[in-house]
Amino acid sequence: QVQLVQSGAEVKKPGSSVKVSCKASGDSFTYYALTWVRQAPGQGLEWVGGIIPLIGTPNYGQNFKGRTTITADESTSTAYMELSSLKSDDTAVYYCATMVATAFDMWGPGTMVTVSS
Amino acid sequence: DIQMTQSPSTLSASVGDRVTITCRASQSVSLWLAWYQQKPGKAPKLLIYKASTLESGVPSRFSGSGSGTEFTLTISSLQPDDFATYYCQQYNSYSPTWTFGQGTKVEI
Repeated sequence: QVQLVQSGAEVKKPGSSVKVSCKASGDSFTYYALTWVRQAPGQGLEWVGGIIPLIGTPNYGQNFKGRTTITADESTSTAYMELSSLKSDDTAVYYCATMVATAFDMWGPGTMVTVSS
Repeated sequence: DIQMTQSPSTLSASVGDRVTITCRASQSVSLWLAWYQQKPGKAPKLLIYKASTLESGVPSRFSGSGSGTEFTLTISSLQPDDFATYYCQQYNSYSPTWTFGQGTKVEI
């Protein structure tokens, strides 16, 4: 079974970009669908987008189209989520997760992204 | 986009109670509905997928039912470890996109 390790917490200025990584270990990375979900402080879960490394074409939630880029590097079993034009509303914990039967079964520990001037 | 509405937002219960949480979709999602449990400071945990399939390792006191636009998560006998926030999630195969409900906090 796969384990997911995410990059560390980030503090960013408004208008800048952040790139969060999610490294998979323990199983073949290529055939997993990987997805990103965020959670603002005290709020619910929001789907950001996802990718199947074998296929390579990501898809995004409506609120994230145009300023989010999700990629996957099969050689290092690592997925990335880059969010640009950051606003204070983007302050949240960003989780990566694998998918089975359209549900998200294995989750990373989360990466806190703080956007503050 | 498909909207998901959970009820109630907060639920007060006691150990041993039977608890039911409802999730309604703004249009049919067939059986593409999952339930998660989240505790403070932790990542969500998958409980149920495809509306009623219990994830491996999840206690059998959890069950899911429903199809189309109305779904329920039932905890048959609430245990101390079950006090948490629960989320439903739908998958829209036409987009494809995923949407979460707003969450139900189960508290004492």
